[in-house]
Amino acid sequence: QVQLQESGPGLVKPSETLSLSCTVAGDSISTYYWSWIRQPPGEGPEWIGNIYYSGSTNYNPSLKSRVTISVDTSKNQFSLKLTSVTAADTAVYYCARESPLEKALVYYLDYWGQGTLVTVSS
Amino acid sequence: EIVLTQSPATLSLSPGERATLSCRASQSVSSYLAWFQQKPGQAPRLLIYDASNRATGIPARFSGSGSGTHFTLTISSLEPEDFAVYYCQQRSNWPYTFGQGTKLEIK
Repeated sequence: QVQLQESGPGLVKPSETLSLSCTVAGDSISTYYWSWIRQPPGEGPEWIGNIYYSGSTNYNPSLKSRVTISVDTSKNQFSLKLTSVTAADTAVYYCARESPLEKALVYYLDYWGQGTLVTVSS
Repeated sequence: EIVLTQSPATLSLSPGERATLSCRASQSVSSYLAWFQQKPGQAPRLLIYDASNRATGIPARFSGSGSGTHFTLTISSLEPEDFAVYYCQQRSNWPYTFGQGTKLEIK
């Protein structure tokens, strides 16, 4: 069974850097794509970006200037850094796996972490 | 960026009734659309992918249809555990986007 677990500070000060890690169990990170998604309170999810195990990344243009996603295959982890945060970055942050499901035309988010609430406040 | 518009925002129904949820895309996403269910305090759960394929373990009462810009999620006979928020998500163009959600509540 694939499991993902987010970890990192739950409180970040404005203008500082948000850093989260996602540890993957039950699957090798050297497969498929791995994503970060966030969900502000009471709103729909927003895709932050994804990474292939080779290191190839895609970032949401709305966040691209502030986001870095990296992968550590030795730890079976991938990470998110978001710089210069403001209150608008307060959200539950999820990590998730994208994989090619049976007969699927493209990859879909099939396994998610439980999510971690990050609050931006002084 | 492709905008997904879901309707209605809230749907009030009783167990046993049929639910029909709509998702419209601002431009064609072909069949690259998924539906997720989210309960309070939980991560979204994949229900449907490629517009009409049920994910592993999803009951047959859930079905998806549509292509291009108009999609529908149907729950044929509501069970108590189906009351939740439902999101559509397109996987056609980067950035991949989600709809704003439809809340399915007990009448």
